[in-house]
Amino acid sequence: LAKTTQPISMDSYEGQEVNITCSHNNIATNDYITWYQQFPSQGPRFIIQGYKTKVTNEVASLFIPADRKSSTLSLPRVSLSDTAVYYCLVGDIGNNDMRFGAGTRLTVKP
Amino acid sequence: EAGVVQSPRYKIIEKKQPVAFWCNPISGHNTLYWYLQNLGQGPELLIRYENEEAVDDSQLPKDRFSAERLKGVDSTLKIQPAELGDSAVYLCASSLGGLSYNEQFFGPGTRLTVL
Repeated sequence: LAKTTQPISMDSYEGQEVNITCSHNNIATNDYITWYQQFPSQGPRFIIQGYKTKVTNEVASLFIPADRKSSTLSLPRVSLSDTAVYYCLVGDIGNNDMRFGAGTRLTVKP
Repeated sequence: EAGVVQSPRYKIIEKKQPVAFWCNPISGHNTLYWYLQNLGQGPELLIRYENEEAVDDSQLPKDRFSAERLKGVDSTLKIQPAELGDSAVYLCASSLGGLSYNEQFFGPGTRLTVL
């Protein structure tokens, strides 16, 4: 299983863009990169998934360089409600072998 | 569309007592997961079902934990007997499977406190 490394915590202010980087040096050819968000007292929620280059949806963007050994989740203009834990997972979507790490605790301040 | 339903939301028991958690996945989702989440940590997979078959239970402590998914829909996770260290949040999730494995839908979890 591909191991991921993320910062333990990050602070930001309302209205700023936040970039959370995840390292996955041993990513395999068939692995996809998936990000989840978790608020207190709730289960994680799927945010975005990608394989290479850039993926964008209504919530976030995911940037993946050509070597795919890292990825960056970008949250544009964060608000207080974006305070949560963000998890980066790597795995083969056909084998269903992803595992959650400790995640990055993002705190957005007014 | 209803999400993943779990009950109870909270449970407090004495150590050595049995406890059971119930999960109803999203309709049509063949894959069901049970996770354990300790405070400040990410969810840890306990068991994964494809329909009614347990296909990954390597992290399930089988001496005290058991799970079932009769008819490939609802699932129950049981602990007997519970220990102090079992206090955690137990999360259930489901997914469509196939190429949608990565998109799991989680329930709100059951917070277990063992006294």
